[in-house]
Amino acid sequence: AQSVTQLGSHVSVSEGALVLLRCNYSSSVPPYLFWYVQYPNQGLQLLLKYTTGATLVKGINGFEAEFKKSETSFHLTKPSAHMSDAAEYFCAVSAGGTSYGKLTFGQGTILTVHP
Amino acid sequence: ETGVTQTPRHLVMGMTNKKSLKCEQHLGHNAMYWYKQSAKKPLELMFVYNFKEQTENNSVPSRFSPECPNSSHLFLHLHTLQPEDSALYLCASSQDRGQSYNQETQYFGPGTRLLVL
Repeated sequence: AQSVTQLGSHVSVSEGALVLLRCNYSSSVPPYLFWYVQYPNQGLQLLLKYTTGATLVKGINGFEAEFKKSETSFHLTKPSAHMSDAAEYFCAVSAGGTSYGKLTFGQGTILTVHP
Repeated sequence: ETGVTQTPRHLVMGMTNKKSLKCEQHLGHNAMYWYKQSAKKPLELMFVYNFKEQTENNSVPSRFSPECPNSSHLFLHLHTLQPEDSALYLCASSQDRGQSYNQETQYFGPGTRLLVL
C-alpha cells in the first residue's frame, strides 16, 4: 500500500519569499513521485516528477523538489514566490508494479501569496 | 481542441435522474482515468482503462458506470446518485508504454462539477 501526507493544508507567503510545501510518502516499493498544481476551476497540471536518477528535480515555473529516500520526503520549493503561484498543490505517489498508473494523492496544500 | 476535454463543465441533477459525463483526449494516449475530488478529501481514483479495457475499479458504487468505447473517449454514466456524490469529477489520460506506465504523466481535464439535489 502507498500513501501521501502533505503537511499543512494552507501555506501563506509574501511575494518574493521562499515557498516550501511539504510532502511525505509511504511506499513498499521504490516510488515515483509527482507534484501537480490546480488553479481555480481547472484540472491538475504536472509541475514535476521523480522517477529515477537525479534526486533534485526541476519543474515548470521555477519549482523544484528533492527526493530524500531516508526521510521519505519529496518537498516542493521555489526560491521566490509570485502572485501567480497562488493555487492548490498536490503531491502524489505511484508505486509501480501492476497498479496500472494508480496515483495516490495527498490532501492538497492551498498556497496563498500576499503582495 | 487540444489536451483533455470534459463535458459538461457543470451539472445539477436530482437523485432519480440519469446523466452521463463525457471525456475526450486528443493526445493519442492509451490509458484513461476517472477521479473524484470532494471538498476536504484527497483525490480518489475511481476507474482506470487501458487500451479500452477496465483495469481498475476502486470499489466504486454501481450507481457509477464507466464506458470506454475507444482510447480517445471515456464516459461516466450516473444514475440514482446521492447528495454525497456531489463533487468535481476529473478525467485524465496517459501514455501506456508497457513497463514504464507508472512513470507516465497523467494529463487532466478541467473537470465536471456535479451537484446532486
